[in-house]
Amino acid sequence: GAGVSQSPSNKVTEKGKDVELRCDPISGHTALYWYRQSLGQGLEFLIYFQGNSAPDKSGLPSDRFSAERTGGSVSTLTIQRTQQEDSAVYLCASSLGTGSYGYTFGSGTRLTVV
Amino acid sequence: DQQVKQNSPSLSVQEGRISILNCDYTNSMFDYFLWYKKYPAEGPTFLISISSIKDKNEDGRFTVFLNKSAKHLSLHIVPSQPGDSAVYFCAARDGGGSEKLVFGKGTKLTVNP
Repeated sequence: GAGVSQSPSNKVTEKGKDVELRCDPISGHTALYWYRQSLGQGLEFLIYFQGNSAPDKSGLPSDRFSAERTGGSVSTLTIQRTQQEDSAVYLCASSLGTGSYGYTFGSGTRLTVV
Repeated sequence: DQQVKQNSPSLSVQEGRISILNCDYTNSMFDYFLWYKKYPAEGPTFLISISSIKDKNEDGRFTVFLNKSAKHLSLHIVPSQPGDSAVYFCAARDGGGSEKLVFGKGTKLTVNP
């Protein structure tokens, strides 16, 4: 597609439920990133996929968070047993990969845990 | 521990004047710095970048300056326009081979007509 597409744009869930957030990167972009922005905070790195390499999961805040990228394209971020502190805007970005500067971000998924 | 700091949460300038947004960092291994602009309900968009081996990069109305000894960079917008009103994020890339970026908390710029 022309840009990075994220769905849903908004998600309200009850504490303790699992949620899945989807990201469709720009076609041909080999690198895909997940960040989140909590209220009043900067963008916090979560996970990074580059081609067929093992993902960099160093930013995932707990083992309730996981992500996968199927076929080198679409990615799903899963949060299990959601907590109120998980409420944030989850942003996906893609880029051409190593040596390419400047991500293209999607519009994000606003997650609210009640 | 914040590695990228934007100490001014907001800035207000008059249309036509210069906007200067500042950013400080602590990690001397950062090898690339970027500025992103974000409008409400949209994802950040890439604006301009600078390699750590340079001290200035210019693109139209936007210029980024890097002072490595002070671990400081700034974004200059001149002349400022009302459409520049947005949140500006400073970001830095770890030179260790990863493409992940470390972001500041952002500065909200308001350009008044």
